[in-house]
Amino acid sequence: GAVVSQHPSWVICKSGTSVKIECRSLDFQATTMFWYRQFPKQSLMLMATSNEGSKATYEQGVEKDKFLINHASLTLSTLTVTSAHPEDSSFYICSARERDNWSYEQYFGPGTRLTVT
Amino acid sequence: DAKTTQPTSMDCAEGRAANLPCNHSTISGNEYVYWYRQIHSQGPQYIIHGLKNNETNEMASLIITEDRKSSTLILPHATLRDTAVYYCIVIAGGTSYGKLTFGQGTILTVHP
Repeated sequence: GAVVSQHPSWVICKSGTSVKIECRSLDFQATTMFWYRQFPKQSLMLMATSNEGSKATYEQGVEKDKFLINHASLTLSTLTVTSAHPEDSSFYICSARERDNWSYEQYFGPGTRLTVT
Repeated sequence: DAKTTQPTSMDCAEGRAANLPCNHSTISGNEYVYWYRQIHSQGPQYIIHGLKNNETNEMASLIITEDRKSSTLILPHATLRDTAVYYCIVIAGGTSYGKLTFGQGTILTVHP
């Protein structure tokens, strides 16, 4: 149980285009989902926290107009990288907390590798 | 949330116990210790967590010192598949969303 999927697993796009990444909780309802970014040989950095039906909360330094997050249902959150540039190339990982689970255990997706050319 | 300090890297022989330390000397009474690991190019995986008592599950054991200023994650019989970056994270209870702040972690390499 507690599986989180991401789609696509990797994507290559041209500079200036937008890319949407989906994060789904397959067998549980997730009231809170998180989006992280990880550059090579670095740790995960939290980008934003999203709660179903409300606006995402972005970490300091993360441009909310560039990284659009939508958490429309209890099982789906999407991250859209708008007007992507080569510096946005990174490993994007989502995670989810299970509804009504008091612990802070998060279930992570397998990640999406974005390359902007 | 309290800051944690972990060794940059550790080695372990396959079949032996891997003991990964974590220092969290500024931890406060309502803060939990969580351990995650990340195998190369994958999303992190939850391992175990605790408040003040030692904990054990099918993956590992967590030993927390009596003063709670440090803890040790123990993988009792390490295998090659346990090679990963291990993250020790302290998080306050009652945090509404439970944000995790990842440090640099410990790179554990298990050798044949």
